[in-house]
This record gives sequence, C-alpha cells and structure tokens, in this order.
Amino acid sequence: DSGVTQTPKHLITATGQRVTLRCSPRSGDLSVYWYQQSLDQGLQFLIQYYNGEERAKGNILERFSAQQFPDLHSELNLSSLELGDSALYFCASSRTPGHNTGELFFGEGSRLTVL
Amino acid sequence: DAKTTQPPSMDCAEGRAANLPCNHSTISGNEYVYWYRQIHSQGPQYIIHGLKNNETNEMASLIITEDRKSSTLILPHATLRDTAVYYCIVRLFTSGTYKYIFGTGTRLKVLA
Repeated sequence: DSGVTQTPKHLITATGQRVTLRCSPRSGDLSVYWYQQSLDQGLQFLIQYYNGEERAKGNILERFSAQQFPDLHSELNLSSLELGDSALYFCASSRTPGHNTGELFFGEGSRLTVL
Repeated sequence: DAKTTQPPSMDCAEGRAANLPCNHSTISGNEYVYWYRQIHSQGPQYIIHGLKNNETNEMASLIITEDRKSSTLILPHATLRDTAVYYCIVRLFTSGTYKYIFGTGTRLKVLA
C-alpha cells in the first residue's frame, strides 16, 4: 500500500460526459502528479501540483483540468469525453518538488471506460 | 526533455540475473536516473535511483556508465513475481520542480 488513494477505481460513462477523478496523497506529501496510461502504452505525464499551485504541465488536453485543494487532495476533471480518453489515470505524490530522493508514490489508478 | 530508450521486451530464466538496459544519451549532469516497475495494471512501484555512482538496495542494483549515457538495472535472482514492465526514467528539474517522464518500458517475462 503506497498510501496514495484514488477514487473511483472503475468508471464507465458515455461520450460527451464529464467525470471527476479524485486523489488523496500520502500524509505529508505536498506534490501531486497525474498520469494517463492508455491500453498497452507507457505513462503520459499530464500535470503536477505543489501545495495547491500548478507547477508543471505535460500533454494535458484542454478538455481536462485539475486542481489541488487546501487539504492537498487533488481532482482531475475530464469533460466532453471521447472514446480515446478511455485509459488508466494514475495519481502520484512526493514530498516536495525539491526533495532529493524524489521517490514518487503511485496510487492504484482509476480505470475510465468511455462508451 | 531527456528521453530514455529501452528494449520493448526481454525474457529471463527464474533464478538467473535479469539485466535491463537503458539508454539516456541526452541526460544532463544533475539529472537522476530512476527505475520503476508496473505489475499488470497496478500503480508503478519505485525500485531504485542514482546519479553517477552504482547503487544497490534490497530489490536491485543500478549500474550507470561513467559517461552517464546508459544504465543497467540488475535483478540478481529473478523470480516469477518479477514479471512486469520496467521503466527507466530521467528526472528533470525544470521551472522549480521535478518532472518524471516515462518511456514505454521493457516488458520482462521471467520463465519457470
């Protein structure tokens, strides 16, 4: 158990809909990363937050947005869903962006299926 | 962004050492190499990391070449439970934060 909690574990929805994925980082971790993993693909970095502020952006679509709340949990919002958005979405946390060991702790992911 | 190149797949006999190579020829002097693995579709699991010296922990050893352009992850006695996708990652420091860019990884199959 990494200590990172993601909900829901599975989600099935239709094209055009909007969903919210939630992540609770490990206790004490201020930094949250979001990744997307499509079928049999590697992990694509989407976005990173540190202590409530956006710190880095990757290949995140304009239809997607995220935020990190004062209690440090984070949400990834996916809207106008398309079939190609079906994927595993992982959240990871780490102590701080400048922490030297920099180990990322991953949650078990949210599997999104768009029909 | 520094990129990594790994073979898409490898087989290893159970009980033997598994040596997983990674090329990172564009790595900068202060960028660390990290290894993670992903078993089935579970969340990736940290294995080891290093900068320029060889590193060893209870899971694996990491050998980094002197020019830092490549590295090898060594699982000394592979078991069936080591069957997974192994990712070699270069951690970038940019705009005051670290970014971890995953490649496509090596799918290691440990054979009985």
